[in-house]
Amino acid sequence: EDQVTQSPEALRLQEGESSSLNCSYTVSGLRGLFWYRQDPGKGPEFLFTLYSAGEEKEKERLKATLTKKESFLHITAPKPEDSATYLCAVQSYGGATNKLIFGTGTLLAVQP
Amino acid sequence: NAGVTQTPKFRVLKTGQSMTLLCAQDMNHEYMYWYRQDPGMGLRLIHYSVGEGTTAKGEVPDGYNVSRLKKQNFLLGLESAAPSQTSVYFCASSAGEARGYTFGSGTRLTVV
Repeated sequence: EDQVTQSPEALRLQEGESSSLNCSYTVSGLRGLFWYRQDPGKGPEFLFTLYSAGEEKEKERLKATLTKKESFLHITAPKPEDSATYLCAVQSYGGATNKLIFGTGTLLAVQP
Repeated sequence: NAGVTQTPKFRVLKTGQSMTLLCAQDMNHEYMYWYRQDPGMGLRLIHYSVGEGTTAKGEVPDGYNVSRLKKQNFLLGLESAAPSQTSVYFCASSAGEARGYTFGSGTRLTVV
């Protein structure tokens, strides 16, 4: 069964203090790994898709990396506006269609 | 620039009442999904559609029905609401396999 586990559940950083969020996954065959950002009271917002081990993608202060077992979301010199819940999701070749399996997220709080 | 629009945004139902949640997308996406989000459980797939006139069950379909009579609309129905269906419901759409989802802003449903 496809599974996604995110850690830590919550993370508090000082502004400028870099860190990483982890997403461990188990799938029958990885079609894609997705990162989303979710602000309180809003729907998830798409950040990145990674398709194969070794792949990296960047957007402003965020950098996502992928291995065969996990993905990391690196946050460099975060700002308070980076505070949100970050969701990881996977799509596998074992599924019948474009279904995503989501982790429970990491709640990030960046203090000024 | 609407993307995915969900109505209503909030609703309170009494146990046993019925209601329909509407999702509309203007991106000509083939795939549409309904998820529910509960604390500590993450996003769970209720039903999905791979094209106009098609629907399929997701991870937690019991107590819900869906219809996709038009490509741009995906309706989620609760025939007899139960307190266990208190949740935040998100609709999403995507252009195809291994593509990111675009989410709506959610419907917060409380069943009393």
